[in-house]
Amino acid sequence: EPEVTQTPSHQVTQMGQEVILRCVPISNHLYFYWYRQILGQKVEFLVSFYNNEISEKSEIFDDQFSVERPDGSNFTLKIRSTKLEDSAMYFCASSVGQGVSPLHFGNGTRLTVT
Amino acid sequence: RKEVEQDPGPFNVPEGATVAFNCTYSNSASQSFFWYRQDCRKEPKLLMSVYSSGNEDGRFTAQLNRASQYISLLIRDSKLSDSATYLCQEGNNAGNMLTFGGGTRLMVKP
Repeated sequence: EPEVTQTPSHQVTQMGQEVILRCVPISNHLYFYWYRQILGQKVEFLVSFYNNEISEKSEIFDDQFSVERPDGSNFTLKIRSTKLEDSAMYFCASSVGQGVSPLHFGNGTRLTVT
Repeated sequence: RKEVEQDPGPFNVPEGATVAFNCTYSNSASQSFFWYRQDCRKEPKLLMSVYSSGNEDGRFTAQLNRASQYISLLIRDSKLSDSATYLCQEGNNAGNMLTFGGGTRLMVKP
């Protein structure tokens, strides 16, 4: 069964540094998402992406964040100038359709900012 | 602001019990709903879709009540392996901010 893959599984970085989290969505999916889950808290929507542009973003997704699909397979989340409170699990997901199709999640990247 | 609300629990039940969770949503335009299961420190995994009048898959039954704007998940004959957090999610084709509830934690005990 095709799956969403994320790398790295764990990223440790120092405050103020930039990190790039990588995702390879399922190949025939057209909609891509990033979610964040701080330890013990709910899964929070960050951004959705379709047709090479952001289709929706939450208030969490400020200028510190950016997404890119640099080639036909990768989907990346860049976090600039990381803060301690950015420490969380970051999940990438993809879906076939817009809004009415279930999400398929990757295993997540655990980001630890020290 | 569109909200999806769940009772966080935990629901502590003995093996073999039947347990039900509800999830309320505020967006009347929501068209599709899903239940996911999330194990500790793992990704959410799709458990069931709930499109119209609900559906059943083995021990799991999902229902949708549009009038009262909630969906439910019923688990019969609970197994130890059912212990997890259950997340509901709503979606509609007008937007892509797919919102999750905070999750309901289930603990099945021997």
